[in-house]
Amino acid sequence: NAGVTQTPKFQVLKTGQSMTLQCAQDMNHNSMYWYRQDPGMGLRLIYYSASEGTTDKGEVPNGYNVSRLNKREFSLRLESAAPSQTSVYFCASSPLTGLGYGYTFGSGTRLTVV
Amino acid sequence: SQQGEEDPQALSIQEGENATMNCSYKTSINNLQWYRQNSGRGLVHLILIRSNEREKHSGRLRVTLDTSKKSSSLLITASRAADTASYFCATALSNDYKLSFGAGTTVTVRA
Repeated sequence: NAGVTQTPKFQVLKTGQSMTLQCAQDMNHNSMYWYRQDPGMGLRLIYYSASEGTTDKGEVPNGYNVSRLNKREFSLRLESAAPSQTSVYFCASSPLTGLGYGYTFGSGTRLTVV
Repeated sequence: SQQGEEDPQALSIQEGENATMNCSYKTSINNLQWYRQNSGRGLVHLILIRSNEREKHSGRLRVTLDTSKKSSSLLITASRAADTASYFCATALSNDYKLSFGAGTTVTVRA
């Protein structure tokens, strides 16, 4: 049981390049999330998907887009990378769009934009 | 903006000692959760406490919640070197299910 799988684990981009971060879960969870983690700031929610076919903005959505491809997969796209997007990105999932469920996190993608 | 704030930012203890860290939050919550993050890894869910609960235990972990003070504490008893990690509290607001994370407490357990 792999849980939440993120690819790639590391990536270096030049300013202006685009890329897609992939996330897949095998736990039949309905809800999926993308967070970014910066030193001293905890995790901030970028986008989330309450269920297949729906996506919504989180706290810091600017510069990002998402696609909930199916129930298993939720991708995050940077259309034109900027140095301010240098961060560690985490994908997470939870069973239902409801309260009282812990999240399962992937191991993260460390992105550097130069 | 962050809903929760952990205190202290960093904690260093001897193996076998207890470690206590606190989390304060600003608005009414439905539940509060604690997560652990080992260096270079993803977050791992430790325990969830609902707003109508005051204390929960899980192994060597004890969590308390005081909604009147808008605060929670995480106690790790008889710490081990493997407990060295960052610990985050996360809150789910009463009218929203998405988790908001604090900046974390870094715990170092010395052998």
